[in-house]
Amino acid sequence: EPEVTQTPSHQVTQMGQEVILRCVPISNHLYFYWYRQILGQKVEFLVSFYNNEISEKSEIFDDQFSVERPDGSNFTLKIRSTKLEDSAMYFCASRWDSTDTQYFGPGTRLTVL
Amino acid sequence: AQSVTQLDSHVSVSEGTPVLLRCNYSSSYSPSLFWYVQHPNKGLQLLLKYTSAATLVKGINGFEAEFKKSETSFHLTKPSAHMSDAAEYFCVVSENFGNEKLTFGTGTRLTIIP
Repeated sequence: EPEVTQTPSHQVTQMGQEVILRCVPISNHLYFYWYRQILGQKVEFLVSFYNNEISEKSEIFDDQFSVERPDGSNFTLKIRSTKLEDSAMYFCASRWDSTDTQYFGPGTRLTVL
Repeated sequence: AQSVTQLDSHVSVSEGTPVLLRCNYSSSYSPSLFWYVQHPNKGLQLLLKYTSAATLVKGINGFEAEFKKSETSFHLTKPSAHMSDAAEYFCVVSENFGNEKLTFGTGTRLTIIP
């Protein structure tokens, strides 16, 4: 069964450094999402992406964040200058069309020191 | 605006007894409702979803949920708990109009007592 995959599973970085979290959505899917879950808190929506542009973003998704689909298979989340409060589990999700279910990857745990 | 309230942060049941995880929602439009499960160190797996068809929805692993519009509820049930059901369960809402983001509840941790 096709799955969403994410790499790395765990990323440790220093505050102020740039990080790129990578996701490979299910191959025929057209809608892509990033969510995050700070330890002990609920899963929060960050951004949705369709037709090579952001379709919706939350207040969390400020200028430090960006997303890209560089090669038709990967979907990346970049944080330009990480802060301690960016430490969280980041989940990628994808779906085929607007009526489909979102399928989630296993997550990347980001730790900012 | 859409929101979800999971009434219990932690539920413990004995193996073989029924499971009830409670969820209430708020939505301005006709919502889609989901239950996702997260096992330790794993991703989010869809258990079941409601999208304005039958109000009683059957999912994987013997779980089911009933959409009750009058009560704005979408409680998750299972007749007989199994040890492998121990996990975190999230009730999730998405508004059909616009349909982009999922809004998660705070989660319910289910513990199964042998």
